[in-house]
Amino acid sequence: DAGVIQSPRHEVTEMGQEVTLRCKPISGHNSLFWYRQTMMRGLELLIYFNNNVPIDDSGMPEDRFSAKMPNASFSTLKIQPSEPRDSAVYFCASGTPTQNTGELFFGEGSRLTVL
Amino acid sequence: DAKTTQPTSMDCAEGRAANLPCNHSTISGNEYVYWYRQIHSQGPQYIIHGLKNNETNEMASLIITEDRKSSTLILPHATLRDTAVYYCIVRAHNNNDMRFGAGTRLTVKP
Repeated sequence: DAGVIQSPRHEVTEMGQEVTLRCKPISGHNSLFWYRQTMMRGLELLIYFNNNVPIDDSGMPEDRFSAKMPNASFSTLKIQPSEPRDSAVYFCASGTPTQNTGELFFGEGSRLTVL
Repeated sequence: DAKTTQPTSMDCAEGRAANLPCNHSTISGNEYVYWYRQIHSQGPQYIIHGLKNNETNEMASLIITEDRKSSTLILPHATLRDTAVYYCIVRAHNNNDMRFGAGTRLTVKP
């Protein structure tokens, strides 16, 4: 398996632009997680889905952030409009947390820079 | 919500055992202890987890105290490639919520 695939790996955009980050989870995993990592705040859980349904979005910073999972093999995290403080590395992870080891598998991250 | 407490940083000599402590004094009976690590600029990687018994796998050993209020991750023979941030997380097995704290930055020195 190719693992969790995220795109783009790097994105530089200007304040006010829309940003869409994409994630393809590992086939067979029923849960998908979006995290944001900054030096100041560390690794923050933004939202997670179970069987394509958003379960907890309490970590989403504000209405400018939205996440969707239209099917089991694809998820997006959208920021509109983007602001400089959104600059961070965004990780997607998938797993079957209630089965086997319960481990999560992380993608390589999308590094976002908002100018 | 700081369910776990870890030292901010630790050093270890290459080839020696690295012992990383974690306090989780408010752990509930159905919560497991998970350890992940994050090597610079990569996504976190699962290491090991346990409920109350000590656990060992090819990467590390996990020692959980009898009262389950603390645990220690042991890397038996640390290498330079083990330099990373190590996260201790408590989570109920039926709960998908996986939240990371600040972790311990382990530096393995030659």
